[in-house]
Amino acid sequence: KQEVTQIPAALSVPEGENLVLNCSFTDSAIYNLQWFRQDPGKGLTSLLLIQSSQREQTSGRLNASLDKSSGRSTLYIAASQPGDSATYLCAVASGTSGSRLTFGEGTQLTVNP
Amino acid sequence: SQTIHQWPATLVQPVGSPLSLECTVEGTSNPNLYWYRQAAGRGLQLLFYSVGIGQISSEVPQNLSASRPQDRQFILSSKKLLLSDSGFYLCAWSGFPGVQFFGPGTRLTVL
Repeated sequence: KQEVTQIPAALSVPEGENLVLNCSFTDSAIYNLQWFRQDPGKGLTSLLLIQSSQREQTSGRLNASLDKSSGRSTLYIAASQPGDSATYLCAVASGTSGSRLTFGEGTQLTVNP
Repeated sequence: SQTIHQWPATLVQPVGSPLSLECTVEGTSNPNLYWYRQAAGRGLQLLFYSVGIGQISSEVPQNLSASRPQDRQFILSSKKLLLSDSGFYLCAWSGFPGVQFFGPGTRLTVL
């Protein structure tokens, strides 16, 4: 059974800092890995998706890496802004055609102005 | 483009009352549909998924049930709510391998 762990559970940083969120998973037989953002009381917004054959994906100030063999992914946020404050969720797709998503419990990020 | 709707957005119900949450998807056909629950400060737990009309798979034994009466409609129900049913319920659809798109969610409070 796939298990996904995210560290840290919460993070508070001053504006402008670069930061790294960590995600680990127990079964390396994954279809892909996704990072989502969730604002309070809202649904999930997909940030980056890394296919199992890829090593990293970039979008603006966000960079996500994937090391399947060690069961780890990191989300790097450059030059953080108060608007980046949210909960970040890591999800691993596995099973037939990646139909099953297993989520970590998230990292709650606060960027202070 | 595809969109996913959930209603109601928020709901406060007494213990023992029935529940019906609705999810509909527009702009696609024959999607896989999912119901998740998110407890406060926690990750998402998959409750049900459906690969077609009338086809429902349950992930965890619980007080809830799901139905898919139409291709793009997914309903989450309960006959008698428990306090432990409180949470944030998210519906998702998938038309592509390994990718799910999420609705805005329903906040359910059982008192």
